Amino acid sequence: EADIYQTPRYLVIGTGKKITLECSQTMGHDKMYWYQQDPGMELHLIHYSYGVNSTEKGDLSSESTVSRIRTEHFPLTLESARPSHTSQYLCASSDTGTTGTQYFGPGTRLLVL
Amino acid sequence: GESVGLHLPTLSVQEGDNSIINCAYSNSASDYFIWYKQESGKGPQFIIDIRSNMDKRQGQRVTVLLNKTVKHLSLQIAATQPGDSAVYFCAENEGRGSTLGRLYFGRGTQLTVWP
Repeated sequence: EADIYQTPRYLVIGTGKKITLECSQTMGHDKMYWYQQDPGMELHLIHYSYGVNSTEKGDLSSESTVSRIRTEHFPLTLESARPSHTSQYLCASSDTGTTGTQYFGPGTRLLVL
Repeated sequence: GESVGLHLPTLSVQEGDNSIINCAYSNSASDYFIWYKQESGKGPQFIIDIRSNMDKRQGQRVTVLLNKTVKHLSLQIAATQPGDSAVYFCAENEGRGSTLGRLYFGRGTQLTVWP
């Protein structure tokens, strides 16, 4: 069982609000990832990090930003939420091995009104 | 970029039958493949993996087959149970020697198990 946590699990918020989605893992993994997923659809990588102070944009353009100040923590921030940001956001982490197995958190379902 | 896809978006089986979920990949350099199961409202859960130097790997009730010649991956679930109902994703890594740890996911197949 992977020890990766996301909060909140569900969030309903109005347009223009600033939000931060939290992700923490206790496995000491160097690599962490954020994916965006619409219901029943594929996962789109929006951000990833190789370690502390390292962040990169993923394949899907996103208006969100991330930070990696501590190994275990990888928060995602939306400065001004819009209805188009409504989606599920999944956080994952992997160790330094070359296989790349990623372990996922439970996700945050975001609804922007 | 890499493209990982599944042949069928949905699969319905009767409880007790065997299920086969297929996946095609395009990056011949990928050397590691994973199957994930995602239940409604949850994050993807690791099921089984296989390296490119293998063509078959078995777990508990699940078997993954890899055919590198045609770049095809399949997940077989024996004696499918209602608890197996979920969306199944295949994923491939970037390729041999990569330490970047990125995975590329397919679209997913919704497996529905009928009693």
